Amino acid sequence: KQEVTQIPAALSVPEGENLVLNCSFTDSAIYNLQWFRQDPGKGLTSLLLIQSSQREQTSGRLNASLDKSSGRSTLYIAASQPGDSATYLCAVNDNAGNMLTFGGGTRLMVKP
Amino acid sequence: EAGVAQSPRYKIIEKRQSVAFWCNPISGHATLYWYQQILGQGPKLLIQFQNNGVVDDSQLPKDRFSAERLKGVDSTLKIQPAKLEDSAVYLCASSSAQGFGQPQHFGDGTRLSIL
Repeated sequence: KQEVTQIPAALSVPEGENLVLNCSFTDSAIYNLQWFRQDPGKGLTSLLLIQSSQREQTSGRLNASLDKSSGRSTLYIAASQPGDSATYLCAVNDNAGNMLTFGGGTRLMVKP
Repeated sequence: EAGVAQSPRYKIIEKRQSVAFWCNPISGHATLYWYQQILGQGPKLLIQFQNNGVVDDSQLPKDRFSAERLKGVDSTLKIQPAKLEDSAVYLCASSSAQGFGQPQHFGDGTRLSIL
């Protein structure tokens, strides 16, 4: 059974810092990995999707990497802003279908 | 493109009562998912539909939870009778295809509180 872990569970940084969020998964037989953002009281917004054959994906100030063999992914946020404050979730899509297994999330607070 | 619509946004009931949630996916999306998100945790998949057929419901507590998607579009999720541990946000998501790594698009969820 796939298990996804995110470290740290919470993170507080001053504005402007570069930061890294970590995600690990136990079964490397994944189809893809997705990073989501969740604002309080809202649903999930997809940020980046990395296919199993890819090593990284970039969107603006966000860069996600995938090391499938070691069961790890990182989300790098450059020059953090207060508007980046949210919970960030990673989810893996296993090869049995389009079913996502989520980590517990990292609650990020960026202070002005 | 309109997003995934869910209603109601909030629901408060007493334990042992019944409750139903409604989801309207993005137009043309064949696959629909229901997730349960307990406070402080990531979402957990309850059931996945492909059109009006169930693909996976292995994590659905079938003694109290039921879901249907009769015409392959809208879906309802029901809990009867509710327990205290059912307090959570229930998220609906849809994607355009199954098993091809298509991104899932989420609604804002229904927040259920059990008294």
